[in-house]
Amino acid sequence: AQSVTQPDIHITVSEGASLELRCNYSYGATPYLFWYVQSPGQGLQLLLKYFSGDTLVQGIKGFEAEFKRSQSSFNLRKPSVHWSDAAEYFCAVGEKAAGNKLTFGGGTRVLVKP
Amino acid sequence: KAGVTQTPRYLIKTRGQQVTLSCSPISGHRSVSWYQQTPGQGLQFLFEYFSETQRNKGNFPGRFSGRQFSNSRSEMNVSTLELGDSALYLCASRPAGGSETQYFGPGTRLLVL
Repeated sequence: AQSVTQPDIHITVSEGASLELRCNYSYGATPYLFWYVQSPGQGLQLLLKYFSGDTLVQGIKGFEAEFKRSQSSFNLRKPSVHWSDAAEYFCAVGEKAAGNKLTFGGGTRVLVKP
Repeated sequence: KAGVTQTPRYLIKTRGQQVTLSCSPISGHRSVSWYQQTPGQGLQFLFEYFSETQRNKGNFPGRFSGRQFSNSRSEMNVSTLELGDSALYLCASRPAGGSETQYFGPGTRLLVL
């Protein structure tokens, strides 16, 4: 069965500093990979996705992620964090054989210090 | 295009009652999935509907059920509510037919007392 691990439950970063959120997955084939962001009391907003091709993908709000098959990782990065980036971030794997049923990691809560 | 809409946004029920939540997908989307989000278990897949047929089901008891209508709108029902059913229930839609990206609604927050 597929699984997703986000090792960091909380991350605190200063405004303007860089951010990297880790995601490791377990899946038998090339996965569909996603990063979603959730603000308090809100649903999930898609930041970016990887299906195939270029392993560095660009998303919205200045985020990017790199797929590394050898490390089974899909880490999310942002060069300079804004206070509005404070939220919870979820990595997810899509299961192709099951209509893209998503398996989510536990999430990483990002706090931004002024 | 309007996004995924869910009604109601907030709901309070008591144990033993049943509840029905509604989801309207993005116009043109034919697949609707439901997820439960709790602090303890995180985000878990409930089921997916496509063309009024359930295509996949997560590991939830039979008290959780759903359906999809011909206009792609979907409802999920939880019978005999338990305290542990308190959660944010998220609906997601996608066009289907090869498009794998799911777009989520704002969720329905259910509190069971």
